[in-house]
Amino acid sequence: GAGVSQSPSNKVTEKGKDVELRCDPISGHTALYWYRQSLGQGLEFLIYFQGNSAPDKSGLPSDRFSAERTGGSVSTLTIQRTQQEDSAVYLCASSFEGNQPQHFGDGTRLSIL
Amino acid sequence: GESVGLHLPTLSVQEGDNSIINCAYSNSASDYFIWYKQESGKGPQFIIDIRSNMDKRQGQRVTVLLNKTVKHLSLQIAATQPGDSAVYFCAETDGRRALTFGSGTRLQVQP
Repeated sequence: GAGVSQSPSNKVTEKGKDVELRCDPISGHTALYWYRQSLGQGLEFLIYFQGNSAPDKSGLPSDRFSAERTGGSVSTLTIQRTQQEDSAVYLCASSFEGNQPQHFGDGTRLSIL
Repeated sequence: GESVGLHLPTLSVQEGDNSIINCAYSNSASDYFIWYKQESGKGPQFIIDIRSNMDKRQGQRVTVLLNKTVKHLSLQIAATQPGDSAVYFCAETDGRRALTFGSGTRLQVQP
């Protein structure tokens, strides 16, 4: 597609459940990022994939969070045993390389009941 | 730790006026800066970027100014329109890590 695509756009789940969020980056972009945005706040970095290099996981808030990027394209962010504080908008971005403009999807709004 | 922040959380301007949104950053190693616009329910939209070897860059109705001496970045919007109403974020990186974002400034354009 023309832009970064994220699914689902909204997800409501019960505390303790696992969730998977998907990101389809712009074709040809080698770098992929996940961010989290709480209501009225800025973006918090979670994880960064660059080509075949080991991902930068330094922003993941706990070991309940993990992410994969298969075939250098689609990425999934998994949150296990969700907690209410995980409620936020999860945004994915991609860029040609690590130091180029990042283009964002519209995010997945995650609500934990 | 290193951070990027904004001076004004909300800026209200009259339609047709020029707007200036300011941003301070603390990482002296940062060499790439971006301004994003975010409308409600949408992801951030790229507006303009600038690298540290420049101090000014112009786009369509927007200008970014970079003052590396005082680690200050600004976004100027000429002839502000109602469609410019949004939250604006500055972001920076030193190229070794993902972007660090400020907390955002809400721009309100009064008709």
